[in-house]
Amino acid sequence: SQQGEEDPQALSIQEGENATMNCSYKTSINNLQWYRQNSGRGLVHLILIRSNEREKHSGRLRVTLDTSKKSSSLLITASRAADTASYFCATDAGRPASKLTFGTGTRLQVTL
Amino acid sequence: DTGVSQNPRHKITKRGQNVTFRCDPISEHNRLYWYRQTLGQGPEFLTYFQNEAQLEKSRLLSDRFSAERPKGSFSTLEIQRTEQGDSAMYLCASSLDPYRTPAYGYTFGSGTRLTVV
Repeated sequence: SQQGEEDPQALSIQEGENATMNCSYKTSINNLQWYRQNSGRGLVHLILIRSNEREKHSGRLRVTLDTSKKSSSLLITASRAADTASYFCATDAGRPASKLTFGTGTRLQVTL
Repeated sequence: DTGVSQNPRHKITKRGQNVTFRCDPISEHNRLYWYRQTLGQGPEFLTYFQNEAQLEKSRLLSDRFSAERPKGSFSTLEIQRTEQGDSAMYLCASSLDPYRTPAYGYTFGSGTRLTVV
């Protein structure tokens, strides 16, 4: 079952603009991760934020986490055509399995 | 190691046939996970191994599914008597033990796309 939902389901922007995706989840977490998936391919890990962290940066990525609202957001700044992909948030509930529960994803289209 | 390798990339099979997929994880990773992803959805957890031990199986994993990881290296996922509902992308991922190293996420393979006709 999916842990939560992502919003929007689809997003179309022009190169150079910022893209913001939101993720909501339902249960307590150990950490939350964001992944990118190009069409028909596997997932690539982008960034991980622990439950005791509120914000994290990695290059053009900025992730926030609000555990009181059970929500997270991913901001991609100065987007490029190569950022076109589906983006998934995934929650890790911790021990023992540390398995990930994924959201439904946001399809990002970046046009020239 | 160049990452997680999955074979085959694509598999088309007739309903009722058995299929087997292979996953070669990053060699130093002791955890291996299988996920299933249907079109337009996020991946769903199937099962995971810590070394050679299979420690958890999802309710999604019916009796027709079996997974192994002999000697804690590569893993296989077998589906017996395939059904059209089994059509999906099957993803394998590996990681170090997240409770002994700083958590940094999984490394996924490119997946095996199964089509049951």
